[in-house]
Amino acid sequence: NAGVTQTPKFRVLKTGQSMTLLCAQDMNHEYMYWYRQDPGMGLRLIHYSVGEGTTAKGEVPDGYNVSRLKKQNFLLGLESAAPSQTSVYFCASSPLGQGYNEQFFGPGTRLTVL
Amino acid sequence: GQNIDQPTEMTATEGAIVQINCTYQTSGFNGLFWYQQHAGEAPTFLSYNVLDGLEEKGRFSSFLSRSKGYSYLLLKELQMKDSASYLCAVRPYKAAGNKLTFGGGTRVLVKP
Repeated sequence: NAGVTQTPKFRVLKTGQSMTLLCAQDMNHEYMYWYRQDPGMGLRLIHYSVGEGTTAKGEVPDGYNVSRLKKQNFLLGLESAAPSQTSVYFCASSPLGQGYNEQFFGPGTRLTVL
Repeated sequence: GQNIDQPTEMTATEGAIVQINCTYQTSGFNGLFWYQQHAGEAPTFLSYNVLDGLEEKGRFSSFLSRSKGYSYLLLKELQMKDSASYLCAVRPYKAAGNKLTFGGGTRVLVKP
């Protein structure tokens, strides 16, 4: 099993350009998440999904859109990139239910917006 | 909402013990997680506490006091490979989608 994979690993954009980050998981997890990680600020939740066809806003959703057309995939879109969106983006997934259900993280995408 | 505090950085010597504290304020609580993150890599799960007390896993232990809003991660017999950031995360009660709120992370540097 590959677990959680992310594409691409690195990307450089110019201000105003758009792009889509792809996250895929092969663990049949219901829940998926997109985070950004900036120095000294930990992980902040951008958007999340509780199942195929559903999405919801997290802590810092402005400037991002998401879609979950298939259970195994969660896409994060930047319509018009800004330098403030320079960050490391992590996707994660988690099985259904509370209790001892940790989130599994992908390797991250390092995005620079010039 | 949640507010989670942990020290920014700690330094310790190989073979020693280090304790990383995490305090939180939350309107409801349903579990606290610790993750390890090496530089340039993804976070990986270390431990989970939902009831008061100590959970031990080899060289790593995690403690929780719900009444005090306090947890710590104890790393024993430190090894060089333990140099990493350690993230404390809280899951609120009935959080939709098992959402977690993360602290800023504690960077631990292990010296020879």
